[in-house]
Amino acid sequence: EPEVTQTPSHQVTQMGQEVILRCVPISNHLYFYWYRQILGQKVEFLVSFYNNEISEKSEIFDDQFSVERPDGSNFTLKIRSTKLEDSAMYFCASILEGGLGEAFFGQGTRLTVV
Amino acid sequence: DQQVKQNSPSLSVQEGRISILNCDYTNSMFDYFLWYKKYPAEGPTFLISISSIKDKNEDGRFTVFLNKSAKHLSLHIVPSQPGDSAVYFCAAPDRGSTLGRLYFGRGTQLTVWP
Repeated sequence: EPEVTQTPSHQVTQMGQEVILRCVPISNHLYFYWYRQILGQKVEFLVSFYNNEISEKSEIFDDQFSVERPDGSNFTLKIRSTKLEDSAMYFCASILEGGLGEAFFGQGTRLTVV
Repeated sequence: DQQVKQNSPSLSVQEGRISILNCDYTNSMFDYFLWYKKYPAEGPTFLISISSIKDKNEDGRFTVFLNKSAKHLSLHIVPSQPGDSAVYFCAAPDRGSTLGRLYFGRGTQLTVWP
């Protein structure tokens, strides 16, 4: 069964450092998303991406965040200067049809900012 | 914003019995709902969905009921099995957003004991 894969599974970084979280969505999916879950809280939407541009972003997704699809398969989330409060599980998701089908999620990257 | 609420953080059920997980929503524009299951160290996995044109959708042991007037949905698992032990998230896509960003509840930890 096709799946969304994320790397690394766990990333520890020092405050102020840049991190890049990587995702390989399902190959024929067209719509891509990043969500995050801070420990003990709900899963929150960060950004959606289609046709090589951001479709929508939440208030969490400030100037420190960026997304990119550098080639035909990878979808990355970059945090330029990490803060302690960025510590969370980050989930990548993809959908075949935007807003209509169920999202397929990756296993997540646990980001720990120290 | 608590557009999707799951007020029970945990539920414990004996194997073979029925599990009922509840979800409430506040946004009357929501017309499609999904349940996701999440095991530790994995991403959310789609379980079952329901459109607002229906009041019930069944898939094997899983049935979702929707009460639009009460803005309430529930997931029934019958019979419950130990392998069902996971966190269950209720979610709804925002049709007003371009790519249907999902709003999640906080999740309910289901434990099925032998």
